[in-house]
Parts: sequence; structure tokens; C-alpha cells
Amino acid sequence: DIQMTQSPSSLSASVGDRVTITCQASQDISNFLNWYQQKPGKAPKLLIYDASDLETGVPSRFSGSGSGTDFTFTISSLQPEDIATYYCQQYDHLPYSFGQGTKLEIK
Amino acid sequence: QVQLQESGPGLVKPSQTLSLTCTVSGGSISSGGYYWSWIRQPAGKGLEWIGRINPSGSTNYNPSLKSRVTISVDTSKNQFSLKLTSVTAADTAVYYCARGVGLLDYWGQGILVTVSS
Repeated sequence: DIQMTQSPSSLSASVGDRVTITCQASQDISNFLNWYQQKPGKAPKLLIYDASDLETGVPSRFSGSGSGTDFTFTISSLQPEDIATYYCQQYDHLPYSFGQGTKLEIK
Repeated sequence: QVQLQESGPGLVKPSQTLSLTCTVSGGSISSGGYYWSWIRQPAGKGLEWIGRINPSGSTNYNPSLKSRVTISVDTSKNQFSLKLTSVTAADTAVYYCARGVGLLDYWGQGILVTVSS
């Protein structure tokens, strides 16, 4: 199985800050990498697919990059409503696997 | 707008079988070439993909659960289902159903299933 390692596991930032989360795959997954946002008590929401494509309706302050084993998720200017836990997910090989999550808090 | 809704018992006794159904509305489960997945999340923990099925009934399971999991589909009812046998407290989690091949773009709201006597 492919292991996905996210860092950091938690992050505190101020409104307006640029926030970056990284995700590393245990083997090459090309660009088969998605990013999700999960707010407390809610289902995950797809934000970025294929490493860098923005899902319809998702604000442009969210972006993703990377390929192979190393990926980055960025919020260009943190907003209060972005407080959530973020997960990466690979789908190059079954079983699908998720990172352990990054909990984002407001400083 | 596609919507998914999980249903089933919220409490299951240890050693028994967990059974959940996901009802799809706003679109046919048979159209679009999609797979339909189950994912679970223990309280305060991360997401675990359980398995998926397509409208033809082709399935893939997470090897970590494969011996205990069965996913089935009923296209006439626009539903797919999860059965997990021999449950223990470690199977206590919120269970989600979701649509997608690779990316999971529509999710149900989730249902909490507690395994306890």
C-alpha cells in the first residue's frame, strides 16, 4: 500500500497569512493526488484534484502543486472560514490512501 | 445536484455485522462511469478507504478489511450497501459513502456507527 505522509500535523496561522502543507507519497504516484477540506462534523470536501486542478466553485486562494512523491497545498491568504483539517489522498494505486491530516487553526 | 445519504443502525453489538446503505439522489447510480465508495473515520482520527463498487457490481476492497467486507449495488433502487462482519470496538467510526473514480467529488453526510454491547 502507498503511505501518505502530511506535514505539519497541525498549524496555527493568522488571517491573511500564506499557508503551506506538504504531502509525501511512499512511491511515485505521478499527479494522482487530491486535497480535501474537512470542517468539524462535516464530510470532506474536494478542493484540488490531479495535484493542481481546482474543483469547480473552490476559491482561487487554494492551490496545489507537485508530482511524483512530493506535493504542496497552499492557501495564499488565510480566511477565517478556512479553519478545518486538510487531507491529501492518492489514487494511483488501490487501495486509495489518505494522509493523516493537517489541522489548521487561527492564531 | 447529486446527493448521497447513508442509513442504517447506529449501534451494533460486538461480533455482529454492520450493515449500511447509501441512497443516491439527483442522478442515476448507473450513469457516468463512476465508482461508489465507502470511507470511514474513527473519532478524532483520519480517513480510511474501505472499498468501492461500480454499477456492474465490480468491487475493490482495502486489503486491511477485505476478509470482512462486502459491498453490493442495487441499481433499481439507486443504492449501494456495505456489510462489515465480526465487528469490534475498533470499527466504531463515522462511515461515509462517496462518488468517484480517483477523486471523490460527492460525499454523504456520514453516519456514526458505534460497536458496543
